[in-house]
Amino acid sequence: AQSVTQPDIHITVSEGASLELRCNYSYGATPYLFWYVQSPGQGLQLLLKYFSGDTLVQGIKGFEAEFKRSQSSFNLRKPSVHWSDAAEYFCAATPGSARQLTFGSGTQLTVLP
Amino acid sequence: NAGVTQTPKFQVLKTGQSMTLQCAQDMNHEYMSWYRQDPGMGLRLIHYSVGAGITDQGEVPNGYNVSRSTTEDFPLRLLSAAPSQTSVYFCASSYSIVGGGSNTEAFFGQGTRLTVV
Repeated sequence: AQSVTQPDIHITVSEGASLELRCNYSYGATPYLFWYVQSPGQGLQLLLKYFSGDTLVQGIKGFEAEFKRSQSSFNLRKPSVHWSDAAEYFCAATPGSARQLTFGSGTQLTVLP
Repeated sequence: NAGVTQTPKFQVLKTGQSMTLQCAQDMNHEYMSWYRQDPGMGLRLIHYSVGAGITDQGEVPNGYNVSRSTTEDFPLRLLSAAPSQTSVYFCASSYSIVGGGSNTEAFFGQGTRLTVV
């Protein structure tokens, strides 16, 4: 079955530290991959997406993600976290079908001052 | 542009009551969908529509009804609310199949927080 796994339920980092959020997918072929961020009480905002080509994808707010086919992973990174990055982060994937997106269970990010 | 608008933002229902969650988009998107978000489970697809007059079931459709009479609107109906339907509901829209091209991404509303008591 197609699935998206985010192994880390909760991550805590200090402001200014680097960040990596993990995402693994299980699909027959490489799906289209996305990272969304959800601030408290808000909807989902797209951070970045991978369709094809360069495996290092740049997004908004200083985030980037690297697609690794051999590891079926699409990890999100940021070199220096800001307090405003505290939020829940969702990895999502689709094979390109009309059934839209399959989401991971989310990773809650806490940023310490 | 308003994007995707959901109403209401909050709702409390009693078990057995019915209600409709509204979703409207002003981007002329063909594809619309409803998700529910529960702690530790991410977002799960309830129903989706690929255009006016066409709907289909997602992963968790039981207890919900949808219709798509116009391109702009995609309401979600709870026929007889149950406590298990307490959740945050998100509506999303996209120009076409998500991933069907470099510009096809899903846009989300701000959510409706529903509590069934």
